[in-house]
Amino acid sequence: DTEVTQTPKHLVMGMTNKKSLKCEQHMGHRAMYWYKQKAKKPPELMFVYSYEKLSINESVPSRFSPECPNSSLLNLHLHALQPEDSALYLCASSQGAGNSNQPQHFGDGTRLSIL
Amino acid sequence: GQQVMQIPQYQHVQEGEDFTTYCNSSTTLSNIQWYKQRPGGHPVFLIQLVKSGEVKKQKRLTFQFGEAKKNSSLHITATQTTDVGTYFCAGVYYGGATNKLIFGTGTLLAVQP
Repeated sequence: DTEVTQTPKHLVMGMTNKKSLKCEQHMGHRAMYWYKQKAKKPPELMFVYSYEKLSINESVPSRFSPECPNSSLLNLHLHALQPEDSALYLCASSQGAGNSNQPQHFGDGTRLSIL
Repeated sequence: GQQVMQIPQYQHVQEGEDFTTYCNSSTTLSNIQWYKQRPGGHPVFLIQLVKSGEVKKQKRLTFQFGEAKKNSSLHITATQTTDVGTYFCAGVYYGGATNKLIFGTGTLLAVQP
């Protein structure tokens, strides 16, 4: 069981669709993350939110738009994605936003397929 | 850019054999974390190492952080089928964002009963 909940678990969308991935945690964590993971590869950091503010954007294309409505929720809005964006999208959270000595807790991920 | 390499990429062992994965960074790390990802699962935090030369044990797992804080290892004694998965190290660099983890390339462990 994971304390970070991601929905949906699977998503198939066309290149012209708009969809959103959702992530929720109730551990009181103040840092939240989006990662992209391709098969047999490590997770690649996309975005970091610290205290509900975007603190890191790893040069992610604008077709991915993150949003942090409150300290428990993290969204990833998707628009006009490309087939190469098909991957597992992982959300994670950690307790301290400014302290590196904190483990990250991952959700089960959303497996995204772009047709 | 900053890279963290792991070797081997893949290891197949008989149950009961030992296993070691090595993690190397080109630059000094502030700290290093280890994660395990089961097939079809998500990364799960195992441990964090902060001090130069640090050694930590969790039952059959032994984690080490090098003296120069550029490398680390994970050793599993007497593997079991439940150890199957991909083991990732993940480093935080000095001077970088404090909560930015750079994941290593990973080692996939297969255990034959």
